[in-house]
Amino acid sequence: TQLLEQSPQFLSIQEGENLTVYCNSSSVFSSLQWYRQEPGEGPVLLVTVVTGGEVKKLKRLTFQFGDARKDSSLHITAAQPGDTGLYLCAGVDGSSNTGKLIFGQGTTLQVKP
Amino acid sequence: GAVVSQHPSWVICKSGTSVKIECRSLDFQATTMFWYRQFPKQSLMLMATSNEGSKATYEQGVEKDKFLINHASLTLSTLTVTSAHPEDSSFYICSAQGLAGTQYFGPGTRLLVL
Repeated sequence: TQLLEQSPQFLSIQEGENLTVYCNSSSVFSSLQWYRQEPGEGPVLLVTVVTGGEVKKLKRLTFQFGDARKDSSLHITAAQPGDTGLYLCAGVDGSSNTGKLIFGQGTTLQVKP
Repeated sequence: GAVVSQHPSWVICKSGTSVKIECRSLDFQATTMFWYRQFPKQSLMLMATSNEGSKATYEQGVEKDKFLINHASLTLSTLTVTSAHPEDSSFYICSAQGLAGTQYFGPGTRLLVL
C-alpha cells in the first residue's frame, strides 16, 4: 500500500519566517500534487510536479520533486498571514486504475502577524 | 475553468433523517468523481469512487448502504447519507476528475446531525 508521510503536522510561525513542509514515501509516484485548504472550503490545487528533480516556483512558494520521485517538499519564503491554512500533498494511487489520490496527513500552518 | 460546485454548503438535520449532497462539474464532464470525508484539522479520507453509469466503488470500512452514491450524468454525482446519526456529522467534499486526470475539488458540505 502506498503511503505519504507529511511533516510537520502543525507549524506556527511569525510573519516573515521561512518554512519547509515535507512529503515522503517509500513508493514511487508518477506525480505529486500540493493543495492548500482554508477552513470550510475545499482544497485548491497549487502545483503538480511530474519529473524527478523538478523545481517549480509559485511566487514565494517553491516546490521540489525528489530525484527518485518518492518525496517532495514545499518551501515558503517570508511567510505571510495569508499563507495560513492546511497544506496537503497527494499522489495518484498506482494500484488503482481510477486515478484516486493518496493524501498525506496534512500540515496545518499558522502564520502570526 | 474546471469549477466544481456542491449543494448544499451546509445542512443541519435531525437524527434518523436522510440527507442528499450534490456535486456538479460546471464546465467539464467527469466520468469519475470522488467523495471524501474530513474531520477538523485532518486530511481527506476517501469514501468512494463514483463512476458515471455504474456502481460506486467504496473504500474499506465505508458502508455502502449508509452512504448511497449515484452518478447519473457526466456532470452530477450525489451522496445520500441515510438515517443520519450524530457521528455522521462531518465535512464532505467531492472532486471531479478532468480529462488529464487532475482532480478538481468542490467547496465542501458541512453536515451537522442533531
